[in-house]
Parts: sequence; structure tokens; C-alpha cells
Amino acid sequence: DAGVTQSPTHLIKTRGQQVTLRCSPKSGHDTVSWYQQALGQGPQFIFQYYEEEERQRGNFPDRFSGHQFPNYSSELNVNALLLGDSALYLCASSLDTDTQYFGPGTRLTVL
Amino acid sequence: AQSVTQPDIHITVSEGASLELRCNYSYGATPYLFWYVQSPGQGLQLLLKYFSGDTLVQGIKGFEAEFKRSQSSFNLRKPSVHWSDAAEYFCAVASISGSARQLTFGSGTQLTVLP
Repeated sequence: DAGVTQSPTHLIKTRGQQVTLRCSPKSGHDTVSWYQQALGQGPQFIFQYYEEEERQRGNFPDRFSGHQFPNYSSELNVNALLLGDSALYLCASSLDTDTQYFGPGTRLTVL
Repeated sequence: AQSVTQPDIHITVSEGASLELRCNYSYGATPYLFWYVQSPGQGLQLLLKYFSGDTLVQGIKGFEAEFKRSQSSFNLRKPSVHWSDAAEYFCAVASISGSARQLTFGSGTQLTVLP
């Protein structure tokens, strides 16, 4: 049984560019949440997708947007990248509001 | 608003010694509490969770945690630490907003295990 998968593993971008990160949930899960983990900090909630809609959003600007597809996979898009967006981006999947299971993350570096 | 405090940024123990990692939370309702572990450059692995019932919960890898409502704490324990336990440990509380449940994490405790 495959767990949560994320792609790519690493990504390097320059300021002002746009980036798309991808997540495939654990089999049987229908909900995807995204978190940002800056170096030396705990993860911070960005938003959650359920039934292809954004159900809840954390304290992140509109530059951060997402999408969920009918197969429950999800994308995180970040526009107009800033140096401060450099972080590990974690995807977590769950069955509705049940326990969240995390993927390995995507390391984004903004130069 | 909910919050989680992990007072110890870094803990060092010898292999075979016992371990306790502290976690204090602030949440208005009955909390759902979690401990996750993160190895360098990796995602988060769930160690254990508390939803209700018995306040002492058992997890994977020999870890356990005790929920104490009166102290707003959910400390993680292991009787004998192995070198492979070296990692960063995060405590989290789940809050409900509308129909969504989101996790609020502490800032983590880095565990070093000496041979």
C-alpha cells in the first residue's frame, strides 16, 4: 500500500517565478492538507482540500493556491516567489477529518 | 487560538537511557493530540495519537504518551532509547474549524543519542 507521495523532491527557483508542487494521497484517503516547514521550525498549515474545494485556509497570502483533482491528488501553486518561501513543503492526506499522514516533502529553494 | 509549546529545543541522552519529551498545549475544547517524528530531510511519521479514553497511549517504536488535562500536557516517553531514535520530534494539536481539522505544531525537540 503506497503512502503519500510528493513530487518533485527538490526544486530551485528564482525570485518572482512560479512553482507547482504535486501530491498523491494514501490509498483510500480523500482529503489533502498542505503545510510549510521553514528551517528549524514546526510545520505551518497552508490549506486543506476536500471534494475538490478548499475547505480551510491558514494565514498565507493569496500567492499560495491549490487544486484537488477527482482522483484526490492535489497541487500547490506559489506565484511571485520570495526568498522567504524557501522551505520544506509537506503534503498530508486523511480520510476526511481523521488522522493525517505525511509525505516526504518537497524542498523548495528560492534564490 | 490553539497553540503547542515544546519547552526543550534540544535533548541529549545516552543510548539505553529513558526519555521524556515535554509538550504543553492550549486549546479550548477537548484536544486531539499527536506526536510525529522527523528524520533529517524527511517527512513526518506518526508515532501516536490521543483522541479520547485511556490517557496513556501506546505508539510505534516503543513510545508512549500520557495526556494530563489538568496540566494541559501530552509528554512523550520511552523507557530505553536506541541510537536510531535520534531525530526531531513534533507535538501537534488538531483543531476543528467549520468542517476541517488542521494541525498546529510545536517548534520541535531535537533528540541526540550518545553511544
